[in-house]
Amino acid sequence: DAGITQSPRHKVTETGTPVTLRCHQTENHRYMYWYRQDPGHGLRLIHYSYGVKDTDKGEVSDGYSVSRSKTEDFLLTLESATSSQTSVYFCAISESPGTVSSSYNSPLHFGNGTRLTVT
Amino acid sequence: GESVGLHLPTLSVQEGDNSIINCAYSNSASDYFIWYKQESGKGPQFIIDIRSNMDKRQGQRVTVLLNKTVKHLSLQIAATQPGDSAVYFCAENFFGRDDKIIFGKGTRLHILP
Repeated sequence: DAGITQSPRHKVTETGTPVTLRCHQTENHRYMYWYRQDPGHGLRLIHYSYGVKDTDKGEVSDGYSVSRSKTEDFLLTLESATSSQTSVYFCAISESPGTVSSSYNSPLHFGNGTRLTVT
Repeated sequence: GESVGLHLPTLSVQEGDNSIINCAYSNSASDYFIWYKQESGKGPQFIIDIRSNMDKRQGQRVTVLLNKTVKHLSLQIAATQPGDSAVYFCAENFFGRDDKIIFGKGTRLHILP
């Protein structure tokens, strides 16, 4: 699984509580991403990082924040969880930017996901 | 198991036959395409990629074909095995005003014994 560990694998939380999901990589890749996957939708980008302390928003970033203090760790925080944030969350890494056309593209490699249920 | 695959189109293939999974992509400016396989309870797994300057690329038991004229991508799996049972989806690297990767919703491949 390309040296990507997501924790926890499953989480049930109540509406209004903060939740932090962790992604840890051992590949030393510069680029890291958080996606959510829901029935009827393709994977949707929440936030991504292009280096330590360098992050940017994706298409569904409202209600989420991220932090990257070390190359290997990328944290996703739901500031105040809502039922609409019930989903499966995937972390991904890549060697080259996954969002920019270049002569050198590399695929994203994904972790095994965190299933989050907000009750 | 995962509920992500609900209501996906399903392709049923006899074990040992070849499988062809199709994908229509959205933007003629997309220049890099990837196929992923996702098994129940796991993350998407990279299978094969192709750049827009190519029409065909082969891997181990898999071939990707790219038809830029009609914006169509296909994944061919030779001699389908039970372990190939999964959801397959394509991704396009879209280069435009907002660079991003667009993921398809996927096709479920079901292997018949």
